[in-house]
Amino acid sequence: EVQLLESGGGLVQPGGSLRLSCVASGLTFSGYAFSWVRQAPGKGLEWVSAIFDTDGTTWYADSVRGRFTISRDNSKNTLFLQMNSLRAGDTALYYCAKDRPSGGFGPWGQGTLVTVSS
Amino acid sequence: DIQMTQSPSSLSTSVGDRVTITCQASQDIGDYLLWYQQKPGKAPNLLIYHASNLETGVPSRFSGSGSGTQFTFTISSLQPEDIATYYCQQYGNIPYTFGLGTKLEIK
Repeated sequence: EVQLLESGGGLVQPGGSLRLSCVASGLTFSGYAFSWVRQAPGKGLEWVSAIFDTDGTTWYADSVRGRFTISRDNSKNTLFLQMNSLRAGDTALYYCAKDRPSGGFGPWGQGTLVTVSS
Repeated sequence: DIQMTQSPSSLSTSVGDRVTITCQASQDIGDYLLWYQQKPGKAPNLLIYHASNLETGVPSRFSGSGSGTQFTFTISSLQPEDIATYYCQQYGNIPYTFGLGTKLEIK
């Protein structure tokens, strides 16, 4: 069974940084693309970033480009999201999710909560 | 970016009802359309991919249709466990974008 487990969330002041991690198990990690998707409290889903498996190409939503960096360590089955210059609008539950070859995301982790507040 | 307009935003329904949710894309996305179910406190769960293909293990009362810019998601006979929020998502272009969701409630 594929499982994803996020960590690294917490309370941070505006302008601060956090690094999220997502450890995957039950799959050949290097063979898949992964994404980060976030959900602000009581709001809908927003795709944040993706990293491909074949060449490590990365993609970002306009709202985070230049501030967030997605990366992966295939030797440790781990996905990362480095978040800098955090804003109140970045407050959300951050999910990592495996990209499915036929489209969409699944499975998802349980999420890690990021709160940006002074 | 492709905008996904989902309606209605909420729906008051009864067990056994036929439920229909629509999603309109701001440009042609072919059949690159997904439907997710999200229950409170849980991660989303993929139900339908390629607009009309049922994910393995998903009950047949769920279905999807459409192509281009107009898509429909249907629950043929609502069950109590279907009470959730449903999202469409396009994956024809990056950035991937979601509809704002449809929250189903029991009358």
